[in-house]
Amino acid sequence: AQSVTQPDIHITVSEGASLELRCNYSYGATPYLFWYVQSPGQGLQLLLKYFSGDTLVQGIKGFEAEFKRSQSSFNLRKPSVHWSDAAEYFCAVGDDYKLSFGAGTTVTVRA
Amino acid sequence: NAGVMQNPRHLVRRRGQEARLRCSPMKGHSHVYWYRQLPEEGLKFMVYLQKENIIDESGMPKERFSAEFPKEGPSILRIQQVVRGDSAAYFCASTPGRGDTQYFGPGTRLTVL
Repeated sequence: AQSVTQPDIHITVSEGASLELRCNYSYGATPYLFWYVQSPGQGLQLLLKYFSGDTLVQGIKGFEAEFKRSQSSFNLRKPSVHWSDAAEYFCAVGDDYKLSFGAGTTVTVRA
Repeated sequence: NAGVMQNPRHLVRRRGQEARLRCSPMKGHSHVYWYRQLPEEGLKFMVYLQKENIIDESGMPKERFSAEFPKEGPSILRIQQVVRGDSAAYFCASTPGRGDTQYFGPGTRLTVL
């Protein structure tokens, strides 16, 4: 069975600083991997996805993620955060049609 | 191109009442997925439907919960005789085909008093 672990429940970062969110997955085959962002009271917006090919994936809003098979990781990064990046971030692994989500990481951005 | 629509956005029910949650997929999408998000947790898969068919309901509680996606109209997630533990955010997602990238609606936040 697939599973996702997001080790950091809450991260606080200064505006303009870099951000890295960790994601580790457990899956038997080559996974489909996703990062979604959820702003307060809103639905989930897809930031980026990895299906195959280049292990460094570019997404929207300046985010990128790197798939590392040897570490079973798919960490999300942004070089310089903006106050509007404050939200909850979910990593997910897909098995055909069924997504399994991590518990999420809440990002707070301080001025 | 409108995204996935869900209504109501907020729903308050007393214990024992019924809750009906609606999901209209994106235009051109005929596959719908329902997920539940309990407080402080990630989303958990509940059910996958195609028009008029339930493909996978392995994540649905065995009692009180049902889902449908009729030929015409939105998909409906129905919870009978709600209990406080049903309080959660319920999200639906849609895709044009099986296994495609899922696009989520804004969710329905159910509160059971």
